[in-house]
Amino acid sequence: SYVLTQPPSVSVAPGQTARISCEEHNIEKKSVHWYQQRPGQAPILVLYDDRVRPSGIAERFSGSNSGNTATLTISRVEAGDEADYHCQVWDSGRDQPVFGGGTKLTVL
Amino acid sequence: QMQLAESGGGVGQPGTSLRLSCAASGFTFSNYGMHWVRQAPGKGLEGVAVISKDGSAEYYADSVKGRFTISRDNSKNTLYLQMNKLRAEDAAVYFCAKGLTRGPYPAGAFDVWGLGTTVTVSS
Repeated sequence: SYVLTQPPSVSVAPGQTARISCEEHNIEKKSVHWYQQRPGQAPILVLYDDRVRPSGIAERFSGSNSGNTATLTISRVEAGDEADYHCQVWDSGRDQPVFGGGTKLTVL
Repeated sequence: QMQLAESGGGVGQPGTSLRLSCAASGFTFSNYGMHWVRQAPGKGLEGVAVISKDGSAEYYADSVKGRFTISRDNSKNTLYLQMNKLRAEDAAVYFCAKGLTRGPYPAGAFDVWGLGTTVTVSS
């Protein structure tokens, strides 16, 4: 089964670039999806299939997936980006989604 | 506008049952696999159950297998989660979520989420 490892927290100043990692052995063979979740709210899909942005998601959000690490990159970070970010893959062996533990992004 | 609205959460004693519902609108419900995902207080997201678009296939997390049942009524655009033999560790916010793709196997990302309904398990 998959265990997706994310850093518990990432801090960045406004205008800088935030990078949030999601690690699992050979994760590059999986499609990785990313969600933003503000406190008390439902998750929002911000990237799917490693790097595809749904309609309405800012171009500042981008993704990559290579080797054992998938990365969500947020450029020109704004105060409104402060939230928890979760990565997710599909475990076809168990027919279930698998989520990372989530990363709290703090905008300093 | 695609929307999902959960209901049915509340307080249940250990060993008892609750039934959650999720009303869908703004999209053709019968074209998509649907999911229940939960989040315990201060914790991450956990997949609970999945159902194919026509209801012919169901998949469960090991933690709920044999106790929870996912179902859907495509004529009513509604998803359900029957939760039996509740345990303390089932306490969480339960979200329903729509699968992104229209394939027969409900894998992948989730592009629409409800606001969630809270389940508390307490004696």
